[in-house]
Amino acid sequence: EPEVTQTPSHQVTQMGQEVILRCVPISNHLYFYWYRQILGQKVEFLVSFYNNEISEKSEIFDDQFSVERPDGSNFTLKIRSTKLEDSAMYFCASRAKNIQYFGAGTRLSVL
Amino acid sequence: AQSVTQPDIHITVSEGASLELRCNYSYGATPYLFWYVQSPGQGLQLLLKYFSGDTLVQGIKGFEAEFKRSQSSFNLRKPSVHWSDAAEYFCAVALYGGATNKLIFGTGTLLAVQP
Repeated sequence: EPEVTQTPSHQVTQMGQEVILRCVPISNHLYFYWYRQILGQKVEFLVSFYNNEISEKSEIFDDQFSVERPDGSNFTLKIRSTKLEDSAMYFCASRAKNIQYFGAGTRLSVL
Repeated sequence: AQSVTQPDIHITVSEGASLELRCNYSYGATPYLFWYVQSPGQGLQLLLKYFSGDTLVQGIKGFEAEFKRSQSSFNLRKPSVHWSDAAEYFCAVALYGGATNKLIFGTGTLLAVQP
């Protein structure tokens, strides 16, 4: 069964460093999303992406964040200068037929 | 604003017992409704969904959910819980019709199953 793949599973970084979280959505899907879950809190929407552009972003998704679909298969989330409060689990999802399918997530730890 | 409430943060049931996890939503119209499950170290797996039609929907792993418009609820049920059902369960809503269609999640219910 096709699935969404995220790498790495765990990323440790120093505050102020740039990180790129990678996702390979399901191949025939056209809508892509990033969500995050801070430990002990609910899963929150960050950004949606369609037709090579952002279709909606949340208040969390400030200028430090960016998304890109650099080729036909990858979908990346970049955090330019990480803060301690960016520590969270980040989930990628892709959508078809009104159903979002999630990857296993990347746990980002900012020290 | 749209919101989803899961009033039970943590539930413990005995193996073989029945289970009901509660979910209420606040929204101007009937959204699309979902239940996802997250096992340790795993992603969010879709259990079931409601878009329209029959208000009792069946999902994977023997789960079902009932949509009640009058109560703005979408409660998840299972008649007999297995130890492997121990996980965190998330209710989510979305209003589709555009290019966005983000999901709004509840805070989750952590299910423990005791022998």
